[in-house]
Amino acid sequence: DVKVTQSSRYLVKRTGEKVFLECVQDMDHENMFWYRQDPGLGLRLIYFSYDVKMKEKGDIPEGYSVSREKKERFSLILESASTNQTSMYLCASSLDGATNEKLFFGSGTQLSVL
Amino acid sequence: AQKITQTQPGMFVQEKEAVTLDCTYDTSDPSYGLFWYKQPSSGEMIFLIYQGSYDQQNATEGRYSLNFQKARKSANLVISASQLGDSAMYFCAMRENFRYKLIFGSGTRLLVRP
Repeated sequence: DVKVTQSSRYLVKRTGEKVFLECVQDMDHENMFWYRQDPGLGLRLIYFSYDVKMKEKGDIPEGYSVSREKKERFSLILESASTNQTSMYLCASSLDGATNEKLFFGSGTQLSVL
Repeated sequence: AQKITQTQPGMFVQEKEAVTLDCTYDTSDPSYGLFWYKQPSSGEMIFLIYQGSYDQQNATEGRYSLNFQKARKSANLVISASQLGDSAMYFCAMRENFRYKLIFGSGTRLLVRP
């Protein structure tokens, strides 16, 4: 069974804290993605990675950074959390960049920044 | 720039009836792929169906079919014989050729009435 695992289901942090969201996939996929999901806005791409140590900005990268030191792990970092980063964060992976390649998603992390 | 539009924030359908969820897209790339995902209240994203821009026939997967009208740039999801378990958020998404990222619409919440 394919699996994308996000380290936390729920997370509560304080404004200004540095936050790490971890994601691990066991499918030897090349590509990994971080999305945030907000009501009425759907899923918006924050960052993605198409290879180890390679990353590209998505549509809303401001306030975030990422790290991919190993193929199976992709971390999202909030350098200084703010209340407008309260959201559901979804990690996903795909085998490669083929047009028909679907994404496999983790179960999400609901982050609340107080 | 690629864009996905879902104009129905919420819909109701009677159990055992068919329902159509609308999706329009915008792209200048002649080669692209269209996806539908289901997100139940548990939060997991479940892949439902895929349609390639050059596919001659509409995609079908069990009770799901994709009504693909290329000239109108629409990719509506049709669910036949609705079941209570179909109650969920539904997202339409697109990937342009040679692009890694999947762009999502804002979603439609479907409620199936008994």
